[in-house]
Order: sequence, then structure tokens, then C-alpha cells
Amino acid sequence: AQKVTQAQTEISVVEKEDVTLDCVYETRDTTYYLFWYKQPPSGELVFLIRRNSFDEQNEISGRYSWNFQKSTSSFNFTITASQVVDSAVYFCALSDGSGGYQKVTFGTGTKLQVIP
Amino acid sequence: SQTIHQWPATLVQPVGSPLSLECTVEGTSNPNLYWYRQAAGRGLQLLFYSVGIGQISSEVPQNLSASRPQDRQFILSSKKLLLSDSGFYLCAWRREFYTDTQYFGPGTRLTVL
Repeated sequence: AQKVTQAQTEISVVEKEDVTLDCVYETRDTTYYLFWYKQPPSGELVFLIRRNSFDEQNEISGRYSWNFQKSTSSFNFTITASQVVDSAVYFCALSDGSGGYQKVTFGTGTKLQVIP
Repeated sequence: SQTIHQWPATLVQPVGSPLSLECTVEGTSNPNLYWYRQAAGRGLQLLFYSVGIGQISSEVPQNLSASRPQDRQFILSSKKLLLSDSGFYLCAWRREFYTDTQYFGPGTRLTVL
């Protein structure tokens, strides 16, 4: 069975601080995909990144960076120089590698509050 | 480009009343469609998914049902709402046959009183 653990329920940081959101996953599949979504107060889930299990290269997109480590089954998300607009709930998710029905397992989310 | 719509955006319904939430996708064909529910302060629970017209799979037994009358239309229904049906309902789509990202609609916030 697949499982995604986001141990940090809520995090508060002061604006311009760096913050890392942790994500640990469990799966028996050799092919799988990991995702991060952002849910601002408006409620819509916004897709941020997808990473497949064969690509352990870290990625940077502006102030966002992701660290994927298969050895520790982790896919952590770092926001550099946080801003108030980064305040949201962030979900890590895992899906299997099948091309048919795609079951996505979501973590319980980490609520990030950036204080001005 | 593809867009996904949901309506209504918010809904307040009495216990025992019927429900119909609609989701439509534009700009793609044969999408896989999903209904999720998010209770207040909690994660996402998959309710239904559909890989084609008339094909519905249920993940959680409950008093809700789903239908897909057209390729890009997905409807969530109930004959009699319960208090526990309150929550935020999200529709999502992904491309058929691709191990690809699920993209979410804006959601419907349902309050059952």
C-alpha cells in the first residue's frame, strides 16, 4: 500500500526566512510519481511539480526547490526567502506508474504561515 | 489549453435535501475524471473516478453517487444529504492513458445544516 507522510502539520516563519516542507513516502512500486500541490486560502489545488522515480535530479524553480532522495524515500520542498503569498497548505502526493487508473495518495498537508 | 470548471462555488443545503455538483473540462478529450472531498482541516479523500462515459468507480461507500453523461462532464449527486457530507469538493482531470498530473478545479464548498 502507498503512504505519504507530512509530519509537519503547521509551520510559521517570518518573511524572508527559508523553510523546508518534509515529505516521506512508502511504495512497493519501482515506477512511481511524486507531486507537490499548493492550496491557497481560495481552496483550489495548484500543481507545482511532478517527479518520476527514475529522475533523482533536484529541481529549482525561482524561490522553490525540491530535493528527491530515493535512499530515504523523501521528496522535500524548500522555499527560499519566503513571502506572505507563500502562505498556504502544501500537499505532497504519490501515484503509481500505471497508465490506466491512476490512484494518487495525498499526504495530510502542511499549513505554512508566513508572517510579515 | 485545458480548463476545468466547477459549480456552484458555494452551496448551503439542509439535511435531507438532494445535491448536484457539476464539473466540466474544456480543451481535452477522453480525460480521466476524479471527485475528491476535503473535510475541514484535513487531507483529500478520493470519492469517485471515471475513465470514460458511463464508467464510474467508487472508492468509498456512502450516500453519494457520480455520473458521467458526456465525455467532459462529471456530476456528483446525492438523494439525501447528511451533516457529514459537508466539506470542500474538488474535481480533477488528467489525460487518458498517460501517467500524468491531475489538475484540479476551483472546488465547491458545501455546508449541510
